[in-house]
Amino acid sequence: GENVEQHPSTLSVQEGDSAVIKCTYSDSASNYFPWYKQELGKRPQLIIDIRSNVGEKKDQRIAVTLNKTAKHFSLHITETQPEDSAVYFCEENAGGTSYGKLTFGQGTILTVHP
Amino acid sequence: DGGITQSPKYLFRKEGQNVTLSCEQNLNHDAMYWYRQDPGQGLRLIYYSQIVNDFQKGDIAEGYSVSREKKESFPLTVTSAQKNPTAFYLCASKPAGDGYTFGSGTRLTVV
Repeated sequence: GENVEQHPSTLSVQEGDSAVIKCTYSDSASNYFPWYKQELGKRPQLIIDIRSNVGEKKDQRIAVTLNKTAKHFSLHITETQPEDSAVYFCEENAGGTSYGKLTFGQGTILTVHP
Repeated sequence: DGGITQSPKYLFRKEGQNVTLSCEQNLNHDAMYWYRQDPGQGLRLIYYSQIVNDFQKGDIAEGYSVSREKKESFPLTVTSAQKNPTAFYLCASKPAGDGYTFGSGTRLTVV
């Protein structure tokens, strides 16, 4: 894993709207792309992940899409709720070769207004 | 804490004092990590270890030290050389090619 760029840095939506966060990576060897949610004062927790052999994965209101050609992957949250408010981090991972590299995105502060 | 335990939850350090943060995991993960998080900021890597008795510096290792005498344990010492240690410290472990499991964190404050 090398540099991963995450956008936007902040995102504000109304309850019920959708939210999309995008990460762009540069390491062609990357093959695993998790997303983490960190609520205020708590630890990051993995919420969804995708491997390079699939293009999309869904889990209820959240989904992740991967475009390996363009080297970007996105987190999609539909029907947002106030409890979705948190900081979201992406990560790109090339398996054993990525130990120790700073592979997290910079984080996106999502605020869902009731 | 999902198999990884950090202690203490809160820690206060006096000027010039060394303090040690504990991190223990029972997930049988080879790799363990220490990250620092400042308010409103992302995760910055301090040290990591891929195997017992081996560890590597991350991006902000100055003023910190670690040891990895057992697979389960990866303590972090914040030394007096770290001039601005007030932060939230997160320990994590992971298997190769998979995601991180984080501990619940230690909030360190200089008094």
